Amino acid sequence: EPEVTQTPSHQVTQMGQEVILRCVPISNHLYFYWYRQILGQKVEFLVSFYNNEISEKSEIFDDQFSVERPDGSNFTLKIRSTKLEDSAMYFCASNGPQAVSDEQFFGPGTRLTVL
Amino acid sequence: AQSVTQPDIHITVSEGASLELRCNYSYGATPYLFWYVQSPGQGLQLLLKYFSGDTLVQGIKGFEAEFKRSQSSFNLRKPSVHWSDAAEYFCAVGARASYGNKLVFGAGTILRVKS
Repeated sequence: EPEVTQTPSHQVTQMGQEVILRCVPISNHLYFYWYRQILGQKVEFLVSFYNNEISEKSEIFDDQFSVERPDGSNFTLKIRSTKLEDSAMYFCASNGPQAVSDEQFFGPGTRLTVL
Repeated sequence: AQSVTQPDIHITVSEGASLELRCNYSYGATPYLFWYVQSPGQGLQLLLKYFSGDTLVQGIKGFEAEFKRSQSSFNLRKPSVHWSDAAEYFCAVGARASYGNKLVFGAGTILRVKS
């Protein structure tokens, strides 16, 4: 069964460093998402991406965050200058071609620890 | 704005007992509703979804949920709980974006199963 994959599974970085989290969505999906879950809290929407553009972003997704689909398979989330409060589990998801009615498939997540 | 409320943070049931996890949502249009399960250190797995039609939906692992528009609820049920059901359960509503959609999650309910 096709699945969403994410690398790395765990990333440790120093405050102020840049990190790139990588995701490979399901191959025929068209809509891509990032969510995050701070330890012990709910899963929060960060950004949705379609046709090489951000379609919606939350207030969490400030100028320190960016997303990119650099080739036909990868979908990345970059945090330019990490802060302690960026420590969280980051989930990638994808769906489509019926974006609204199709369920989103989630990857296993990347645990980001900022020291 | 869309929101999801899961009033129970923790629930403990005996193995073999029935289970009901509560979920209330707020959304102006016809909602798309989901239940996801998350085991410790794992990603999110879809249990079931409601888009339209029959308000009682069946999911995986013997779970079902009933959509009640008049009560803005989408409660998850299982007639007989197994020890392997111990996990955190998230209710979510799908909110339409310009392209794609986003999921708005509740805070989650942690299920403990005692033998």
